[in-house]
Amino acid sequence: DGGITQSPKYLFRKEGQNVTLSCEQNLNHDAMYWYRQDPGQGLRLIYYSQIVNDFQKGDIAEGYSVSREKKESFPLTVTSAQKNPTAFYLCASSWRLAGVSTDTQYFGPGTRLTVL
Amino acid sequence: RKEVEQDPGPFNVPEGATVAFNCTYSNSASQSFFWYRQDCRKEPKLLMSVYSSGNEDGRFTAQLNRASQYISLLIRDSKLSDSATYLCVVADTGGFKTIFGAGTRLFVKA
Repeated sequence: DGGITQSPKYLFRKEGQNVTLSCEQNLNHDAMYWYRQDPGQGLRLIYYSQIVNDFQKGDIAEGYSVSREKKESFPLTVTSAQKNPTAFYLCASSWRLAGVSTDTQYFGPGTRLTVL
Repeated sequence: RKEVEQDPGPFNVPEGATVAFNCTYSNSASQSFFWYRQDCRKEPKLLMSVYSSGNEDGRFTAQLNRASQYISLLIRDSKLSDSATYLCVVADTGGFKTIFGAGTRLFVKA
């Protein structure tokens, strides 16, 4: 089955630790995205990537890093520099960059990160 | 002013009711519009794209008014299973910028 997978589903981290969230898609999509969602708020864009080995900062990139070494993978690292990392993290992908076409974004099931 | 604003909700309606969601956006250059549905503690899923001519999918109707920078979603004959948060999404053309509204929570009760 085609789709987007994220792991782990739940993640607990101690303050000062870096953690990496996995995102894999087998939809052959070019573009991938990372969002953060806090209770009662909309999704906020952290990073996005249009093609392999290229990525751009979104609205709230500080304290996060990404890589795009393979088309199907777009891992997100939450570093100790992120001051308030507890949130629901969502990965998405699309055929092309949303806004350039009407192609829609498809989301993975998300990872809930809690900093203890 | 937020780039995408939705009714704060929540909406509490009985089964069978018609419910309307409203959304306004601030960037007149926006080109793509969507409604997503998000169930509690789940990922958003595409409900409908929104076209200038308006579009309908069963009990769901979406409208776009570019002049007023306004998008709407109408759900007719509400079902219990329609209970969810509905997200308005606006994307710009040219560079990349997709903005998600904060969502409006809907509770449909028997």
